[in-house]
Amino acid sequence: EIVLTQSPGTLSLSPGERATLSCRASQSVSSNSLAWYQQKPGQAPRLLIYGASSRNTGIPDRFSASGSGTDFTLTISRLEPEDFAVYYCQHYGSSPGTFGPGTKVDIK
Amino acid sequence: EVQLVESGGGLVQPGGSLRLSCAASGFSFTSYAMNWVRQAPGKGLEWVSGIRGSGGMTYYADSVKGRFTISRDNSKNTLHLQMNSLRAEDTAVYYCAKALRYSINPNDAFDIWGQGTMVTVSS
Repeated sequence: EIVLTQSPGTLSLSPGERATLSCRASQSVSSNSLAWYQQKPGQAPRLLIYGASSRNTGIPDRFSASGSGTDFTLTISRLEPEDFAVYYCQHYGSSPGTFGPGTKVDIK
Repeated sequence: EVQLVESGGGLVQPGGSLRLSCAASGFSFTSYAMNWVRQAPGKGLEWVSGIRGSGGMTYYADSVKGRFTISRDNSKNTLHLQMNSLRAEDTAVYYCAKALRYSINPNDAFDIWGQGTMVTVSS
């Protein structure tokens, strides 16, 4: 089973700043089958990115992602007030798919 | 509107059973695999189970294998999760989630999620 590690655990930033979140896999993720989700308190997760770098429908272009193999990055170019949330990565290239522990982006 | 609505959660004693349902609308239900994902209070996300669009193949996390059964009724656009022998560690919000692309492989990104239903296992 592939284990995902996310860093940092918490990222404290101000609106307008750039956020860089990391997701590292214990083994290579096949076919770049890596997704990113955003979750706000009391809400279901929302798919932001799939295939390591493809934005889901309706996701603003301030969200971008890259990476391959074992190292992946989600970047929010300029934080908007609604972007403060928890972000999870997920691999789905092999079974069982697993989620990372999450990175909380909070307001500094 | 594409929508998933879960129901069936509640308080149950350890060793008890519960059946969750997820009603789907706004998309071709049989064309997509479906999954259950859970989130314990204050914790992260854990994939629980998945099922092909046809319902022919099912998949389970080791933590629930032999206790939970996923099924779907494609005539009613509904997904189910039968949970038996419940334990305190099964306490969580349970989400149903639609696979992004595939009907035959639940192991996918999840693009549509329900609002979740809370399951509490306690005496």
